[in-house]
Amino acid sequence: AQRVTQPEKLLSVFKGAPVELKCNYSYSGSPELFWYVQYSRQRLQLLLRHISRESIKGFTADLNKGETSFHLKKPFAQEEDSAMYYCAPKGSARQLTFGSGTQLTVLP
Amino acid sequence: EAGVAQSPRYKIIEKRQSVAFWCNPISGHATLYWYQQILGQGPKLLIQFQNNGVVDDSQLPKDRFSAERLKGVDSTLKIQPAKLEDSAVYLCASGARTGSTDTQYFGPGTRLTVL
Repeated sequence: AQRVTQPEKLLSVFKGAPVELKCNYSYSGSPELFWYVQYSRQRLQLLLRHISRESIKGFTADLNKGETSFHLKKPFAQEEDSAMYYCAPKGSARQLTFGSGTQLTVLP
Repeated sequence: EAGVAQSPRYKIIEKRQSVAFWCNPISGHATLYWYQQILGQGPKLLIQFQNNGVVDDSQLPKDRFSAERLKGVDSTLKIQPAKLEDSAVYLCASGARTGSTDTQYFGPGTRLTVL
C-alpha cells in the first residue's frame, strides 16, 4: 500500500537555526516526490519537486531511495518560512498522496 | 493568469441536507482534481478528471458524493445527503503537463461544516 509519513505534526525552531522536516514514504516503483506548502491564509502551492534538484526559498530536499525518505532542509530558517508543509509522493497512477503535514513555526 | 476559483468559500448545513461546490480551473488545464481535507490531515483525492472524463474516482463515496465536469471546464461536487463526518475543506486543483511532469494548482477551498 502507498503510504507517506510525516512524523512531526509541529516543529519550532529559532530564526537562523537549521530546519529539517522529515518525510518517509512506502511506495512501489519509483515515485516522483514533491513538497507543498501552505502559508497562513494562502492556497496550497508547490514548493519543490525532487526531479528538479533545485533550491526554492533556500529549501532543498534530497531523495534517499535506500531509506525511502525525502526530507526538506534549510540551513537558516526565516520567520516567513512559518507555514504548513506537506510531503506528497506521486506514483504510477500520477496522483499525489499527501502526508498529514508538519506545521513549522520559526520563532524570532 | 487567474488562479483556480471555487465557490462558495464557506457553507454550513445540517446533516441529511444537500450541498454543491463549484470549481473553475485555470484556462487550458485539462486535468481537474477534487480533494477532501479533514482537520489535521493532508488532502485526500476524491476524484480526478481528464477533460470531461473520469480518470479515477476510487476514493469517492459514491453513495452520497457525485461530481461532474461538463464540457471539460467547470466542475461541481455534490454531497447528498451530508453526514457529520463530511465536515472538511474541499479543495479543487487543476493541472498542466510541462515536459515529463505536471503541476497542480490549488483553489482556496470550500470549508463545509455539517451540524
